[in-house]
Amino acid sequence: EAGVAQSPRYKIIEKRQSVAFWCNPISGHATLYWYQQILGQGPKLLIQFQNNGVVDDSQLPKDRFSAERLKGVDSTLKIQPAKLEDSAVYLCASSLVPKHSNQPQHFGDGTRLSIL
Amino acid sequence: GQNIDQPTEMTATEGAIVQINCTYQTSGFNGLFWYQQHAGEAPTFLSYNVLDGLEEKGRFSSFLSRSKGYSYLLLKELQMKDSASYLCAVMDSNYQLIWGAGTKLIIKP
Repeated sequence: EAGVAQSPRYKIIEKRQSVAFWCNPISGHATLYWYQQILGQGPKLLIQFQNNGVVDDSQLPKDRFSAERLKGVDSTLKIQPAKLEDSAVYLCASSLVPKHSNQPQHFGDGTRLSIL
Repeated sequence: GQNIDQPTEMTATEGAIVQINCTYQTSGFNGLFWYQQHAGEAPTFLSYNVLDGLEEKGRFSSFLSRSKGYSYLLLKELQMKDSASYLCAVMDSNYQLIWGAGTKLIIKP
């Protein structure tokens, strides 16, 4: 089966600019996650979607970050305006319904964002 | 608060055995996952434990003790390609994954 697709793979922007990331999950996976991973740390959940509804966005900095999954399939994450501390890898993951708790999350290759 | 602890870095020799420990304190428990992450790549799923005991999968095994809030990942017959970070993650009562910072494993010839 095809894995989680993400683009772009790398992005370099200046602070205060805007950037958007795209994710297409594994076919049939209802749940989609966006994570931020800073070097040397574990992934930090930014937002979780179940189909096209938001399950958890408690750690999303809503003054600058936004995400949508309009048709319940692919998703975009946007940062506007970017700050230096946003330099990180942005990972998208998908899974079957998590209440079947043995279902692992499957990750895309991520977008490595550098803010100058 | 919720917390997952794992050693920051470990070093082992090719062909040997290494045990990576993980201790956790979470609000509820719906299973523990281990993921492998090579540098610059995405995490990939290794194992899942929800009941106490040992789960074996080839060269890798994972153990869980829920009463102690403790798990370990055991890697046997180490190969150079096993050099990676190993992430422990616990699914809490809300079915959210709480992630550890990962253990960087360095394999020496």
